[in-house]
Amino acid sequence: DQQVKQNSPSLSVQEGRISILNCDYTNSMFDYFLWYKKYPAEGPTFLISISSIKDKNEDGRFTVFLNKSAKHLSLHIVPSQPGDSAVYFCAASESHTGNQFYFGTGTSLTVIP
Amino acid sequence: EPEVTQTPSHQVTQMGQEVILRCVPISNHLYFYWYRQILGQKVEFLVSFYNNEISEKSEIFDDQFSVERPDGSNFTLKIRSTKLEDSAMYFCASSEGGTGGGGNQPQHFGDGTRLSIL
Repeated sequence: DQQVKQNSPSLSVQEGRISILNCDYTNSMFDYFLWYKKYPAEGPTFLISISSIKDKNEDGRFTVFLNKSAKHLSLHIVPSQPGDSAVYFCAASESHTGNQFYFGTGTSLTVIP
Repeated sequence: EPEVTQTPSHQVTQMGQEVILRCVPISNHLYFYWYRQILGQKVEFLVSFYNNEISEKSEIFDDQFSVERPDGSNFTLKIRSTKLEDSAMYFCASSEGGTGGGGNQPQHFGDGTRLSIL
């Protein structure tokens, strides 16, 4: 049961441009969302999170947008840098009932210098 | 910056053998997790652990699996009678406490143990 979906397995962007990574979810009870970045041979690294009481959260070059009615969130990276090339995972939880997180399948971002 | 450490980085085991994967979570964290990622697939939740007991587990976490926090620093995942399909990357993670019971806190991951079952 794929509760969190990332429909784009890969994305290529020119350095300096905006990268937009998308994530959809099916469980309307999810209320906490995160984005992780993963390099090969390393574990996922936390990037940014958002609670369902917000629709936007910004941290430096990274902004996460949440559209609850569409059950959709996106991660914007501006400006994109070659070091951003990695696999990006979104994850979600029903924080009010527990601490099980559901991950998407990931999007591999390549930033072209 | 404090980090989660996992050992070994790669474990090769014969099918049917028991294996123990080890993790040292971040010292002031209260919630501990195990995930696995089969090659080419998504990261899957296995189990969460709080206050010396399992707080949640997925359907993957059957009687073959067990977790333990044997002392104040280590957190282990034991897989009994391993099967070929247990081959995967196993990630340990930890998070701080919070009013949300861990479900509204970012998790910090180790670099994983690659388990290969022959």
